[in-house]
Amino acid sequence: EDKVVQSPLSLVVHEGDTVTLNCSYEVTNFRSLLWYKQEKKAPTFLFMLTSSGIEKKSGRLSSILDKKELFSILNITATQTGDSAVYLCAVSGYALNFGKGTSLLVTP
Amino acid sequence: KAGVTQTPRYLIKTRGQQVTLSCSPISGHRSVSWYQQTPGQGLQFLFEYFSETQRNKGNFPGRFSGRQFSNSRSEMNVSTLELGDSALYLCASSLPGLARQETQYFGPGTRLLVL
Repeated sequence: EDKVVQSPLSLVVHEGDTVTLNCSYEVTNFRSLLWYKQEKKAPTFLFMLTSSGIEKKSGRLSSILDKKELFSILNITATQTGDSAVYLCAVSGYALNFGKGTSLLVTP
Repeated sequence: KAGVTQTPRYLIKTRGQQVTLSCSPISGHRSVSWYQQTPGQGLQFLFEYFSETQRNKGNFPGRFSGRQFSNSRSEMNVSTLELGDSALYLCASSLPGLARQETQYFGPGTRLLVL
């Protein structure tokens, strides 16, 4: 059975901190791993990763995939209160399999 | 370009009733997928439709069904509602093709509460 596990499930940090969110997976017919940000409404796309070891960056966010160890991390540097959200990891296989998400709260 | 729209946005039903949710995809998108999101189980895949045909189905009971119309709009129906069906139901649309899972755009969701 396909499985996507995110950790931690929740996290509280202060503005300016750096956070690392984890996603491990066991999915047959793996095609890609995606990260989304969800703020009480529709998930919005952050990154798509298909190759191991190639870092994707967008501003203060970055992500990398390890296909040998079957995991990915999402890093957020210099966190801001606007980064508070649920971060979802999804792996594309037979269908899009989501983890339960990491709820991040950034306090001023 | 208008995004994915879902109606209604909020719904309250009682156990045993049935409900129909609607999703209008982005213009030109012919693939529509449905997901259920609950605090306990997270986001779970329900089914995917393309060209009025169900292409994939998740692990949900037969009470959950869907359909797609010729204009790509989709509906999902839940019959004999149970308390555990309370959830946010998300619809996502994409262009057809091998990368359709990776290029999904999500709607705002319908929040269903079953009393």
